[in-house]
Amino acid sequence: DQQVKQNSPSLSVQEGRISILNCDYTNSMFDYFLWYKKYPAEGPTFLISISSIKDKNEDGRFTVFLNKSAKHLSLHIVPSQPGDSAVYFCAASAGDYKLSFGAGTTVTVRA
Amino acid sequence: DADVTQTPRNRITKTGKRIMLECSQTKGHDRMYWYRQDPGLGLRLIYYSFDVKDINKGEISDGYSVSRQAQAKFSLSLESAIPNQTALYFCATSDWNQGRVREQFFGPGTRLTVL
Repeated sequence: DQQVKQNSPSLSVQEGRISILNCDYTNSMFDYFLWYKKYPAEGPTFLISISSIKDKNEDGRFTVFLNKSAKHLSLHIVPSQPGDSAVYFCAASAGDYKLSFGAGTTVTVRA
Repeated sequence: DADVTQTPRNRITKTGKRIMLECSQTKGHDRMYWYRQDPGLGLRLIYYSFDVKDINKGEISDGYSVSRQAQAKFSLSLESAIPNQTALYFCATSDWNQGRVREQFFGPGTRLTVL
């Protein structure tokens, strides 16, 4: 049973607009959340993370929001650029430091 | 040079064959992981190792075995490959000592096809 779910397999957005990617989790023991970005023929690369003691973390164009009561997090990319076209994975970790991944969301940024 | 390397990058084999996928890292990290990626399922953990003498099963270890030959090397073996082991396999590392143990660094992946 998947503990981390990304219910939108794909997202298409116009260049310059905001991309919003969503992720839900079921395990209340998760206390650290990460987003990874993956290009074809490459491994996932770390993008941004957030601890459960925070509700927002920002890094340049990327912001992650965490709503613990709803067990939901989201990644905002503003503004979206063509190089942002990739697969984005949400991941979560409990105290054992193992990562549980969602199925991924493919983002396509249109010119 | 890449910090985490995987060999081979692509492999086609037949049912019943023994296959070894290798992972090497130059990051000096103590923790290493093997994942497989399947469409619609994301990445699932097969095995992980927190140091050379510590190896643990992940959520889908059946049909796989691993060997941690050194801190920098972690191999994944399929003793008798079957078609549903066709997937993209990733090796990853993380570093306890740097305090960012939750962030994992991934290799480029091995695409394995079992006919």
